[in-house]
Amino acid sequence: DIQTTQSPSTLSASVGDRVTIACRASQSISSWLAWYQQKPGKAPKLLIYRASSLESGVPSRFNGSGSGTEFTLTISSLQSDDFASYYCQQFNSYTFGQGTKLEIK
Amino acid sequence: QVQLVQSGAEVKKPGASVKVSCKASGYTFTGYYMHWVRQAPGQGLEWMGWINPNSGGTNYAQKFQGWVTMTRDMSSSTAYMELSGLRSDDTAVYYCVRYHNAFDIWGQGTMVTVSS
Repeated sequence: DIQTTQSPSTLSASVGDRVTIACRASQSISSWLAWYQQKPGKAPKLLIYRASSLESGVPSRFNGSGSGTEFTLTISSLQSDDFASYYCQQFNSYTFGQGTKLEIK
Repeated sequence: QVQLVQSGAEVKKPGASVKVSCKASGYTFTGYYMHWVRQAPGQGLEWMGWINPNSGGTNYAQKFQGWVTMTRDMSSSTAYMELSGLRSDDTAVYYCVRYHNAFDIWGQGTMVTVSS
């Protein structure tokens, strides 16, 4: 199975900051990658699909990029509502990254 | 609106089985694969498998082969996930999720607690 490695595991930032989360697949997955946001006690929410397509209703400050084995999620200007956990997922074997907890600095 | 509504929390003893239901509404149930994902307390997301609601065909993650069964009832637009031989480390929130481009619609989750 293709392994999915996400970094960092924890990220401390302030409102207004630009942050980037990385996800790496052990083999090429073309653009078959998605990003999710999860808040405590809630189900994950789809943000980005096919590496760079913004899900309907998701703010444009969320941006996904990459292809092959290297991918990134960038939040251009953090809002208070963005402090949550983030997961990438590849669709070769559906595995998720380990997650990134985005905390207030 | 499009939604998935899951059955309520369960408490089971080790060795027992649990069956979680997931009722779909607001879209054509047979038009989208249904996946199941679980999340142990404080841990990440773990994919378990999928079912094709149209054909009933399934594909399980290797870890769960032999002890998970996914079924569906087309008449009620409901998917089911049954896990047998429960152990304490199966304590988790179990989610059903619709696949459309990615996992776009999630159920609210069902907490399954395995404890003697």
